[in-house]
Amino acid sequence: EVQLVESGGGLVQPGGSLRLSCAASGFTFSSYSMNWVRQAPGKGLEWVSYISSSSSTIYYADSVKGRFTISRDNAKNSLYLQMNSLRAEDTAVYYCARTCAGGVCQGSDYWGQGTLVTVSS
Amino acid sequence: QPVLTQSSSASASLGSSVKLTCTLSSGHSSYIIAWHQQQPGKAPRYLMKLEGSGSYNKGSGVPDRFSGSSSGADRYLTISNLQSEDEADYYCETWDSNTWVFGGGTKLTVL
Repeated sequence: EVQLVESGGGLVQPGGSLRLSCAASGFTFSSYSMNWVRQAPGKGLEWVSYISSSSSTIYYADSVKGRFTISRDNAKNSLYLQMNSLRAEDTAVYYCARTCAGGVCQGSDYWGQGTLVTVSS
Repeated sequence: QPVLTQSSSASASLGSSVKLTCTLSSGHSSYIIAWHQQQPGKAPRYLMKLEGSGSYNKGSGVPDRFSGSSSGADRYLTISNLQSEDEADYYCETWDSNTWVFGGGTKLTVL
């Protein structure tokens, strides 16, 4: 069974930092690209960042470029999101999601349960 | 980059059918999309991948009541024999060379 479990969320002050983790199991993690997607309270889904299976290709949404860094450790079956210079508008539930394999994409086909990040003083 | 447009809300009666629409922006009418369901308080759930040809592949455990179709830049999700648990937000998703995009979502109310 495919499982994605996020952790690391919490309350942080504006300008602060937080590192999210996503533990993957039930599939060959090193074969899949991964996304981080967030959802502000009462709002829709917003793509945040993408990383390819080998970490060779990384993309960011303009809203987080220069502040967030995505990474992965295939030996540990883990995905990460380092978030710096956090702003109130970064407050959201952050989901990790599995995406493409072998260059074939069918969307974000498995999602974690999410971890809440609240940026507030 | 592509833009996905969805109606903000829809409603249909228990046991009936409903067709939700996701429209791709100009120049992106051939793009593949994915449909997701998000029940209240839960994480999104993948429903299917839907191609411009109308061919679709559903995710694991998705009931037969869910189907997809396409016409031009429009991608449809049809839910038949509506159940109370189908009341949820529905999002479409697509991707390009360096970006992933979600539609604004449609809130489906089952009457």
